[in-house]
Amino acid sequence: GAGVSQSPSNKVTEKGKDVELRCDPISGHTALYWYRQSLGQGLEFLIYFQGNSAPDKSGLPSDRFSAERTGGSVSTLTIQRTQQEDSAVYLCASSFRPRQGHYNSPLHFGNGTRLTVT
Amino acid sequence: AQSVTQLGSHVSVSEGALVLLRCNYSSSVPPYLFWYVQYPNQGLQLLLKYTTGATLVKGINGFEAEFKKSETSFHLTKPSAHMSDAAEYFCAVSDRNNNDMRFGAGTRLTVKP
Repeated sequence: GAGVSQSPSNKVTEKGKDVELRCDPISGHTALYWYRQSLGQGLEFLIYFQGNSAPDKSGLPSDRFSAERTGGSVSTLTIQRTQQEDSAVYLCASSFRPRQGHYNSPLHFGNGTRLTVT
Repeated sequence: AQSVTQLGSHVSVSEGALVLLRCNYSSSVPPYLFWYVQYPNQGLQLLLKYTTGATLVKGINGFEAEFKKSETSFHLTKPSAHMSDAAEYFCAVSDRNNNDMRFGAGTRLTVKP
């Protein structure tokens, strides 16, 4: 019954390697978000999933970034050919959105994955 | 698309003093407004939200915020700061037409003894 779970909590990778970040949302939450938090940059929206609808990918910074959500639950954010500027904390959040147009539900955040690209 | 501006990346107050963190939003339709707080080494958690109705919203830990449509603002206040209030605060906006929630850059609050 816990909150949003993200793994790993920390990831160090070499430049050019691919990484996968995982998010387990709160059970029953229909909406899932990925954000990136860089020092002094606030939260940068990356991608949004809502139920079975096509995801909103408008925030993905480049085609090296992709995400999927399997079975309407667990989500994986993949970064290919990582660059040093990808170093940041990647936050996942989920929310219960019963139907279209009701976007006033707050988000529940995980503790994030701190990615360091060396 | 909607957006949020937080004035002041760092705010420092003395313990017992008034806390005022500023947030202005941009939205073409009535907004939903939120304040989130991130304590050191913790995840973000909801402090308070405005959706409809009363424009003065009360949240946890004695914080409140007032939605002022004429000023497109949603400033966060607390009458008397406590040491435990030291954290980073994020203002966010969404609306009935938009899937995503957009956040400001955050304001780091320091409370001096």
